[in-house]
Amino acid sequence: GEDVEQSLFLSVREGDSSVINCTYTDSSSTYLYWYKQEPGAGLQLLTYIFSNMDMKQDQRLTVLLNKKDKHLSLRIADTQTGDSAIYFCAEVRDDKIIFGKGTRLHILP
Amino acid sequence: SAVISQKPSRDICQRGTSLTIQCQVDSQVTMMFWYRQQPGQSLTLIATANQGSEATYESGFVIDKFPISRPNLTFSTLTVSNLSPEDSSIYLCSVEAIYGSPRGVYGYTFGSGTRLTVV
Repeated sequence: GEDVEQSLFLSVREGDSSVINCTYTDSSSTYLYWYKQEPGAGLQLLTYIFSNMDMKQDQRLTVLLNKKDKHLSLRIADTQTGDSAIYFCAEVRDDKIIFGKGTRLHILP
Repeated sequence: SAVISQKPSRDICQRGTSLTIQCQVDSQVTMMFWYRQQPGQSLTLIATANQGSEATYESGFVIDKFPISRPNLTFSTLTVSNLSPEDSSIYLCSVEAIYGSPRGVYGYTFGSGTRLTVV
C-alpha cells in the first residue's frame, strides 16, 4: 500500500516494555523517524535510524529496522506514565516527510 | 536544532471567518512546511513555503482556502479562510533541521501547533 501503517492503540502496564510497530513504503528513505506527541503539544523528534542500520539503542528506546519487510519498531523499556503520548512513525518520500496515523500509548497503573 | 514559536496555540472561530496562524523560527530556514492534523488522524502536508516565491500546495489544498505568506527567512503565516466546522483541526508548522553532533541527522522540527475549533 501507499500509506505508512501503524496500529492505533496500545495499552501497557507501568514498568513493562512497549513495542510500537510500523510498516513503511519507501525503501530509499535514508532516515526513518519516530516522533512523540504529548497531549496539547507539537511533535517532538524522539529518535531516528539510518536505513543502513538494523538496530539503534538510546537509553530506554530501541529501534529495530527490517528493510526487507519495510518494518520499523520502537521499543520503550520500563514504560512510565510520562511515556503516555501518540507515537508517529515517519519516512521521507519525494523530499517530504510522510507520517503514519500514530499509535496512542496508554499506560495502565 | 531550530526553535519554532507558533501562535495562537488555540482559537475558537465562527463559521465564515478566517484565522491566521503565525510561525517564527529562531534561525533562517529555506523552506517552511504547514501541516493539518485532523482529529484522530495523521499529519497531512498542506503546502511548502519558500521565501520570495509562491507556496507549493499539495493535492486537495488550494491557495484561496489556505493563503500563505513568507516575507522573510524566519517567518511565515497560514490563513484558513471561510471557516467551516470541517476545518477544526490542529495546524502545525515545521522546518528542516539538523540534529545531533558531530554527524548531523537530517530531520524536521515542529511548532507546538494551533488547535482550531470552528463553531
